[in-house]
Amino acid sequence: GAGVSQSPSNKVTEKGKDVELRCDPISGHTALYWYRQSLGQGLEFLIYFQGNSAPDKSGLPSDRFSAERTGGSVSTLTIQRTQQEDSAVYLCASSLVSFGTSGQQYFGPGTRLTVT
Amino acid sequence: QKEVEQDPGPLSVPEGAIVSLNCTYSNSAFQYFMWYRQYSRKGPELLMYTYSSGNKEDGRFTAQVDKSSKYISLFIRDSQPSDSATYLCAMRDMNRDDKIIFGKGTRLHILP
Repeated sequence: GAGVSQSPSNKVTEKGKDVELRCDPISGHTALYWYRQSLGQGLEFLIYFQGNSAPDKSGLPSDRFSAERTGGSVSTLTIQRTQQEDSAVYLCASSLVSFGTSGQQYFGPGTRLTVT
Repeated sequence: QKEVEQDPGPLSVPEGAIVSLNCTYSNSAFQYFMWYRQYSRKGPELLMYTYSSGNKEDGRFTAQVDKSSKYISLFIRDSQPSDSATYLCAMRDMNRDDKIIFGKGTRLHILP
């Protein structure tokens, strides 16, 4: 079946502009995560949506970052007034959390954001 | 102290050697313990997972969990150049809506 998809795959934007990154999780997956990964660096957790619970926003680096998940499915990560340090690959992952399963995450291919 | 500690490496070993990768953690609420592998310019993919303490073997890979020491390991036998990647440990927090917490990852190079 279809995996996690993200769009766009690449985005080049000018400093100060707003960008929206989209994630389509695997159908039926209750959990959705956004991560950021700079070149050669580890995964930086940004935000976590799980079912109807309030999202865990503890990883968002500043109030320029926000995310929504509509109808428990598609998610959009918005970065306002982009800065050069926002340049990174933004990864989305989804998982089905249920008793007795690992809740493993399935990752999308990422959006490579470059702020000039 | 970070919740999950993992040496970033890089770790370089000759082909055929046994590789040992490790993570330590501080949160006793972690139950499921996972290892992901990430190739360059790709997203991470699940390699193995273990529930609670114990060992699990899959081909050349063995995952170990020692909850008393809060220490997990991944062993790779007969390492191959194709095993060169970043290996990330991950753990599921049963007290925070099953949130998965990742280590920073260890870069592994298998030298032909």
